Amino acid sequence: GQNIDQPTEMTATEGAIVQINCTYQTSGFNGLFWYQQHAGEAPTFLSYNVLDGLEEKGRFSSFLSRSKGYSYLLLKELQMKDSASYLCAVKERRGSTLGRLYFGRGTQLTVWP
Amino acid sequence: GAGVSQSPSNKVTEKGKDVELRCDPISGHTALYWYRQSLGQGLEFLIYFQGNSAPDKSGLPSDRFSAERTGGSVSTLTIQRTQQEDSAVYLCASSLTVVGISYEQYFGPGTRLTVT
Repeated sequence: GQNIDQPTEMTATEGAIVQINCTYQTSGFNGLFWYQQHAGEAPTFLSYNVLDGLEEKGRFSSFLSRSKGYSYLLLKELQMKDSASYLCAVKERRGSTLGRLYFGRGTQLTVWP
Repeated sequence: GAGVSQSPSNKVTEKGKDVELRCDPISGHTALYWYRQSLGQGLEFLIYFQGNSAPDKSGLPSDRFSAERTGGSVSTLTIQRTQQEDSAVYLCASSLTVVGISYEQYFGPGTRLTVT
């Protein structure tokens, strides 16, 4: 399997900026995904990085450094509705197949008023 | 458009009984995944179907677990002789796949399984 590490919990206040880090180890990197999961709901896709650098999508941005095995999700102008678990997931390439997705345990973000 | 659907949404069963969970992926999605998630835990990979290739079963926790995907579409996850530790939310996801390109997975609402 893969070693995907992310903090278990984070807290922040409304309007602030928060950065959720994710480190990983893989033998055949094929992309990194971030998902958001509200309590009792299914995960929903936030972002995808396969090349180094920053991908910006509205209030959310995701960064990748393949050489360091590191990614972060940046959430700006936090809102109460951003309170959720944020899952880092790495796609692995195995031989001729596209490979499966390995999920981290998720970071539970709580946004306070 | 229609998303990934799963049935039943909730299932309560007695220890030792067999259960079948169903997943209808998004039409045209060639990849289908099963995960389970226990309360407060991350997603645990179970099995992955990709087109007509042999499935990746490396995540199935025991031989009581099996899955099929008929006609490249609907999938059924079967748990035989259920145990209390099988209680979890079982999530199905599907995605497009093109060699060299990774697409996001779309998740269904899940089946909450409770083994009493």
